[in-house]
Amino acid sequence: EVQLVESGGGLVQPGRSLRLSCAASGFTFDDYAMHWVRQAPGKGLEWVSGISWNGGIIGYADSVKGRFTISRDNPKNSISLHMKSLRVEDTALYYCVKLGVWGSPSQGYHYGMDVWGQGTTVTVSS
Amino acid sequence: AIQMTQSPSSLSASVGDRVTITCRASQGIRNNLGWYQQKPGKAPKLLIYAASTLQSGVPSRFSGSGSGTDFTLTISSLQPEDFATYYCLQDYNYPWTFGQGTTVEMK
Repeated sequence: EVQLVESGGGLVQPGRSLRLSCAASGFTFDDYAMHWVRQAPGKGLEWVSGISWNGGIIGYADSVKGRFTISRDNPKNSISLHMKSLRVEDTALYYCVKLGVWGSPSQGYHYGMDVWGQGTTVTVSS
Repeated sequence: AIQMTQSPSSLSASVGDRVTITCRASQGIRNNLGWYQQKPGKAPKLLIYAASTLQSGVPSRFSGSGSGTDFTLTISSLQPEDFATYYCLQDYNYPWTFGQGTTVEMK
């Protein structure tokens, strides 16, 4: 069974740091890019960060650039999100997501977030 | 960053209705767009990728179209299990961006 399990969430004061982890199983982990998506209480989805299969291509939302760092450990089938200088507005449910890929070298590749974890909650409050 | 403008933000519909949700990108994104469904308390689910390709296992009443800047998600005949919030996501370039969501409510 393909599964993503997030951990590391909790209550943290503004300005402090937190590290989220995501353990993957049931698929060939190092074949796929992975992402983090968050959802503030009662709000919509916000893409946070993504990392390619080998860590060579990384992207961040403008709202977290310079404060969050994504990384992956392929032998351990896991990714992490190190969050520093946390703000109240970072309060959200954080989802770990696998990026599915379809296509071919001749026809090109297309992507979709096909597997989602259940999320880990981060609350930033004094 | 590319902005994704989704409309409407909410709509009321009945079982059997045809429902259309649109997403407009602030610049061309070719067909690098996906549609996601989210039910309360649940993780989102991929419905469509590459603007028009139905994800495996998704009912054929869902369809997507568009390219460039204008995209549409259509539910041909709304079913009870389709009442949910729908999001578009551009994966053309970083930073990726979601639309603000469309909540489909029961009339």
